Amino acid sequence: SAVISQKPSRDICQRGTSLTIQCQVDSQVTMMFWYRQQPGQSLTLIATANQGSEATYESGFVIDKFPISRPNLTFSTLTVSNMSPEDSSIYLCSVEDHRFGPGTRLTVL
Amino acid sequence: AQRVTQPEKLLSVFKGAPVELKCNYSYSGSPELFWYVQYSRQRLQLLLRHISRESIKGFTADLNKGETSFHLKKPFAQEEDSAMYYCAHPGGTSYGKLTFGQGTILTVHP
Repeated sequence: SAVISQKPSRDICQRGTSLTIQCQVDSQVTMMFWYRQQPGQSLTLIATANQGSEATYESGFVIDKFPISRPNLTFSTLTVSNMSPEDSSIYLCSVEDHRFGPGTRLTVL
Repeated sequence: AQRVTQPEKLLSVFKGAPVELKCNYSYSGSPELFWYVQYSRQRLQLLLRHISRESIKGFTADLNKGETSFHLKKPFAQEEDSAMYYCAHPGGTSYGKLTFGQGTILTVHP
């Protein structure tokens, strides 16, 4: 099973700035997924990231706000752009075998 | 819409008592269902999936198509079982994509 790591594990950011979150998998995977877990809430899928194609976004999420890169089969990034306090959440990546990274806890002031 | 529902946000039991965390699904076709657990300050972990029919940490879950349920059960709860539990199902055609229920916080009292 894949070992998944994320960087940073947590961050505190100022309103209006952007943060890029990295997800690294120790084996090649076709599909990677990005989720958001808002405080006290369940997980919500943001987008699906396939290598070599543009990410597919779920309803309510747009590329301008959450640009995603997938340069190879073991790595992906999610950027949270022009942040506001409402973006304070845990962001998690996942892969096709249903395992999750440890999450990135983001606080926006 | 295809979804899973966890009707209980909070569930409290005493150590040694049986525990059942409820999950109901609304899904067309053959459902594939999962239970995840998130212990305090730890990552989300896959607990079990119905197609494997395995028992992890003493937990089992049986798919009941008549009741459209996939309840998670353990005959004797332990304090270390205290955690957040999520039921999930595939959210669409992309393999690996999941839709989560709202979660149930289980507290096992000594």
